[in-house]
Amino acid sequence: QKEVEQDPGPLSVPEGAIVSLNCTYSNSAFQYFMWYRQYSRKGPELLMYTYSSGNKEDGRFTAQVDKSSKYISLFIRDSQPSDSATYLCAMSAANQAGTALIFGKGTTLSVSS
Amino acid sequence: ETGVTQTPRHLVMGMTNKKSLKCEQHLGHNAMYWYKQSAKKPLELMFVYSLEERVENNSVPSRFSPECPNSSHLFLHLHTLQPEDSALYLCASSQDGQGGYGYTFGSGTRLTVV
Repeated sequence: QKEVEQDPGPLSVPEGAIVSLNCTYSNSAFQYFMWYRQYSRKGPELLMYTYSSGNKEDGRFTAQVDKSSKYISLFIRDSQPSDSATYLCAMSAANQAGTALIFGKGTTLSVSS
Repeated sequence: ETGVTQTPRHLVMGMTNKKSLKCEQHLGHNAMYWYKQSAKKPLELMFVYSLEERVENNSVPSRFSPECPNSSHLFLHLHTLQPEDSALYLCASSQDGQGGYGYTFGSGTRLTVV
């Protein structure tokens, strides 16, 4: 079993839709959970960060972590064409410099106007 | 441009060539990373440097050779590559205590091996 599983999509939705992106993982030592957004021909940029279990909201974005199920989600409300990108989940067990992030494959999202 | 600059943006090289990728960070971070991104695969960690010392070499073939002369610069030296090495090579940096949420990526070097 891969450490982090993420459905690569592609996922196509109309503007204004609610989008749900998900990852599952196998390593129970993971404590730090992130979502990165990557536009075409760009490097990934941090979108959301959560420590341990719980929810975090930032504008139209909500990140959820369920450590008991080893499952994380990213919800996008009122999706916009500018949200079209690849979304990568990432996680790590520690927070020191030099700690490697383990990534999912990424889900490609297309929001049509 | 972000706080992490990668050059060149695109590189085409033959299998017998030697080339180098350069990464520079202007953020005062003390850890730097090389990742490989291939289509339909997760980002693969290649090398980690913390305080200019290599702390992880993730079973990368010896045709890839990293160099970290100081905390702001990171190089990836390439020689006798194979076509399957064609990918986007991403550099990132982070600060101690922010290993998770503190990653800043460059825009990458798109490498094509012919």
